[in-house]
Amino acid sequence: LAKTTQPISMDSYEGQEVNITCSHNNIATNDYITWYQQFPSQGPRFIIQGYKTKVTNEVASLFIPADRKSSTLSLPRVSLSDTAVYYCLVGDPRASKIIFGSGTRLSIRP
Amino acid sequence: DTEVTQTPKHLVMGMTNKKSLKCEQHMGHRAMYWYKQKAKKPPELMFVYSYEKLSINESVPSRFSPECPNSSLLNLHLHALQPEDSALYLCASSQVSGIYGYTFGSGTRLTVV
Repeated sequence: LAKTTQPISMDSYEGQEVNITCSHNNIATNDYITWYQQFPSQGPRFIIQGYKTKVTNEVASLFIPADRKSSTLSLPRVSLSDTAVYYCLVGDPRASKIIFGSGTRLSIRP
Repeated sequence: DTEVTQTPKHLVMGMTNKKSLKCEQHMGHRAMYWYKQKAKKPPELMFVYSYEKLSINESVPSRFSPECPNSSLLNLHLHALQPEDSALYLCASSQVSGIYGYTFGSGTRLTVV
């Protein structure tokens, strides 16, 4: 399983765009990159998943360079409710075994 | 229905008690998971069921006993737990391919006294 490295914490302000970068130098050919969001005392919530280039949905964008050794989760115009822990996971979804890294604690201020 | 429902939400049990955690989903997912999460730590995988059969056991102590009675239900039977087993226990489900991510429940907050 590919090891991931994310910043331990980040701070930003309401209305700003937030980019969280994840490093995964030993990503394998069959691995996907998936991001989850977790609020205190709740289960993680799936945000976005991608394999290469750019993926966008209604809440976030995921940018993956050609070498796939890193990825960036982009949250547009954050609000206070985006304060949470964000986990980057890298692995083959068909392996039925996703392992969470340490995560990034994002704090949004007014 | 796009939810994973876990009951109870909170549980306090003594070290000699037997209790069970329950997880239910009606999304047609054929893979289900138990995770354990300690405060300020990431979730740790415990068990994986695929098509109602146990496929992964992450060397979990036998005082935790999983059961998958059917494709919608997942139980975790608890017996003779230790105080250090106190944690948030999370259930998740997914398509077997896992391609579209996992859906997690809100968890059961377990306290062992």
